[in-house]
This record gives sequence, structure tokens and C-alpha cells, in this order.
Amino acid sequence: EPEVTQTPSHQVTQMGQEVILRCVPISNHLYFYWYRQILGQKVEFLVSFYNNEISEKSEIFDDQFSVERPDGSNFTLKIRSTKLEDSAMYFCASATASEYEQYFGPGTRLTVT
Amino acid sequence: DQQVKQNSPSLSVQEGRISILNCDYTNSMFDYFLWYKKYPAEGPTFLISISSIKDKNEDGRFTVFLNKSAKHLSLHIVPSQPGDSAVYFCAAITYNQGGKLIFGQGTELSVKP
Repeated sequence: EPEVTQTPSHQVTQMGQEVILRCVPISNHLYFYWYRQILGQKVEFLVSFYNNEISEKSEIFDDQFSVERPDGSNFTLKIRSTKLEDSAMYFCASATASEYEQYFGPGTRLTVT
Repeated sequence: DQQVKQNSPSLSVQEGRISILNCDYTNSMFDYFLWYKKYPAEGPTFLISISSIKDKNEDGRFTVFLNKSAKHLSLHIVPSQPGDSAVYFCAAITYNQGGKLIFGQGTELSVKP
């Protein structure tokens, strides 16, 4: 069964450093998303991406964040200058044209020290 | 953001009995509701969904009920199995908002043999 994959599974970085989280969505999906879950809190929407541009972004997704689909398979989230409060599980998701049933990857645990 | 609420952080049920997980929402503009299941160290897995124009959707052991006047939905699992033990998230979506899922806090279900 096709699945969304994410790398790395765990990333440790120092405050102020740039990180890139990588995702390979399901191959025939057209809609791509990033969510995060801070420990003990809700899963929160960050950004959605369709047709090579951002469709929607949350207030969390400020200028420090960017997304890219550099080729036909990868979808990346970049955090330019990480802060302690960026420590969270980051989930990538993808969906077919229906955009409602989103399929999630296993997540990347980001730890900022 | 308290638009989707799951007021029970945990639920314990005996194997073979019914599990009922509840979710309340405040935004009457939601068009679609979804339930996700999450095991530790994995991403959320899509379980079942319901359109706002329906009041029930059934898939095997899982049934979702929607009461729009009460802004309430519930997930019934019958019969419950130990493998159903996980965190269950209710989520909602509005058309034309880039596919943004708004999640509840989750309910941890424990099914005891």
C-alpha cells in the first residue's frame, strides 16, 4: 500500500540553525501539507501546497518557514533559523484531488537545543 | 483555537464492548469531518469521514454519527478490540481553505482484554 515517507525520523539542531525536513508524498497525490504537534498539544496545521504554490498557511508559518517541491517526488519544509519553541513532531501529509482524506507520514521529531 | 474539542482525554473499554468517542465543534461552516487514529511514534491514520450533509457513515466496525444541530459527532467502534487501543483524533475541514484540517486534542482509547 502506498505511503507517505519522511526523513529524518529525528533531527537535533542548535538554536539559530537551518533545518530541512523531507517528505515523499504518495505518488498520484496532488495536495501536500505540513502539520506539527508540540508535545502534549494538538496537531496544528502549518501550510498546504497545490500546483506548486502555497494554498493556505497558518499564523505559525511565518517568514522563517518555507516549503518547496524541488522535483516530482519530494516535498520539503525549511526552517531558516530554528527557535527552541520549534521543537515538535512535524508531519507531512498528502491527498488526492478530493483533498479531504489526507494521508500522513510517520513524522520527524525536531529537537532544538 | 478551540473550534474542535474532544473533552475526554481518555477512555477505557472492555474487549467486545462498544467504544464511543465524542467530539464537539463550534464552527457551523465546517463541511467535512474526519476521524484519525494514532499509535505512538507514527503519524495519524485516516479512519472514517462524514460529510456535513449526512448524519451517519458506517465502515465495518466503525460508525460516525453527526448531529449538526448540537454541533456534535461521535465515533462508535463495535466490537472493540485490543488493537484499537490508540489515540483518536477528530478533525474538521472547510471547503476553499486549502484543505486545512483542524484537529481536536485527541482521546486515548484503551481496550482491555
